[in-house]
Amino acid sequence: DAGITQSPRHKVTETGTPVTLRCHQTENHRYMYWYRQDPGHGLRLIHYSYGVKDTDKGEVSDGYSVSRSKTEDFLLTLESATSSQTSVYFCAISVGGGTDTQYFGPGTRLTVL
Amino acid sequence: GENVEQHPSTLSVQEGDSAVIKCTYSDSASNYFPWYKQELGKRPQLIIDIRSNVGEKKDQRIAVTLNKTAKHFSLHITETQPEDSAVYFCAARADYKLSFGAGTTVTVRA
Repeated sequence: DAGITQSPRHKVTETGTPVTLRCHQTENHRYMYWYRQDPGHGLRLIHYSYGVKDTDKGEVSDGYSVSRSKTEDFLLTLESATSSQTSVYFCAISVGGGTDTQYFGPGTRLTVL
Repeated sequence: GENVEQHPSTLSVQEGDSAVIKCTYSDSASNYFPWYKQELGKRPQLIIDIRSNVGEKKDQRIAVTLNKTAKHFSLHITETQPEDSAVYFCAARADYKLSFGAGTTVTVRA
């Protein structure tokens, strides 16, 4: 499983509250990604990171921010959660650099009421 | 950006028959094409991948073919078994980002 953990694994929150999801890796891979998965849409990239403090937007970045202060941790923050952000969130790492295979974490199921 | 289309969205096959899933992509710069299998409630797992300098790759009952000229690639599963039932995703990479198809739900009938 490429040493990836996500926390929390499940969360229920209310509209307007801030939420932070954590992705942790144990193998010092440079590239990390956050995706959301919704029925009929596959996996869509939210943000990715190519090093400490180096991040960039994906295709569905509106309403999300990220931070990476340490190689092993990549945080995804919903500043003010909305019901449209109810989804399953997956973190991924790229082994061997950004041009190599991606492996996924176990996922976080987020429900925004 | 890259756009990946995947067909069919659902596929039902008799155990022992073959299953084929097709994907097309839009960005001619894409050079890496992985396939993931996802069981219910689990994370996507890589099952096979192919790079742009190769036309076909096999791993036991699974094979992937790539046609760069036509910008399409396909997953072939032979001698399907009940444990092949899952959702399958294709993806294409341009730059350092993967773009995924919407997925194919494969059901293997006993």
